[in-house]
Amino acid sequence: DAGVTQSPTHLIKTRGQHVTLRCSPISGHKSVSWYQQVLGQGPQFIFQYYEKEERGRGNFPDRFSARQFPNYSSELNVNALLLGDSALYLCASSVFAGFTYEQYFGPGTRLTVT
Amino acid sequence: KQEVTQIPAALSVPEGENLVLNCSFTDSAIYNLQWFRQDPGKGLTSLLLIQSSQREQTSGRLNASLDKSSGRSTLYIAASQPGDSATYLCAVCPGGGADGLTFGKGTHLIIQP
Repeated sequence: DAGVTQSPTHLIKTRGQHVTLRCSPISGHKSVSWYQQVLGQGPQFIFQYYEKEERGRGNFPDRFSARQFPNYSSELNVNALLLGDSALYLCASSVFAGFTYEQYFGPGTRLTVT
Repeated sequence: KQEVTQIPAALSVPEGENLVLNCSFTDSAIYNLQWFRQDPGKGLTSLLLIQSSQREQTSGRLNASLDKSSGRSTLYIAASQPGDSATYLCAVCPGGGADGLTFGKGTHLIIQP
């Protein structure tokens, strides 16, 4: 079975632009979460979605938004990019909502803002 | 606010040694604790998940223990190999289960051939 997939692998954007990152969960998984990992730090929780509804949100500004589609795939959108948004963006899937279930992570999207 | 600390930040040992990585957390009201491995520039690979009611989990050469009351977990790696070189991350699931995993900064491990 395919694991969690993310696209694109790498992305370079300019300050002020908008970016959309995509994630497809493991087949049968209904929950998708997004994390931001800045170099040298552990991942920071951004959002969790389950059955197309937001179930959790971390401490990130409103420039960050996400949605989940009927096939359980998800998009993370970031508006008005700042240099500090440069990071590895990780997507994780699990069977159900909440974090009591084992989380399976994708390879990430490396975003560079110049 | 839950905080997770991993010690040491970096470790370099010769091949074949047994080693212990440490993880501590400030709020003992956790649901579970998960250990991950991350290769440079890559995503996370789940190694072991310990439920709060468990004391340890084993997978191959890896053994993770959990002492919830003292806020500590250890990851024991037996007979280390160069392929074990990676960053190891510890993450806790809060008791409410809806606020995302809280991660430590990781231990960067190098196994010398």
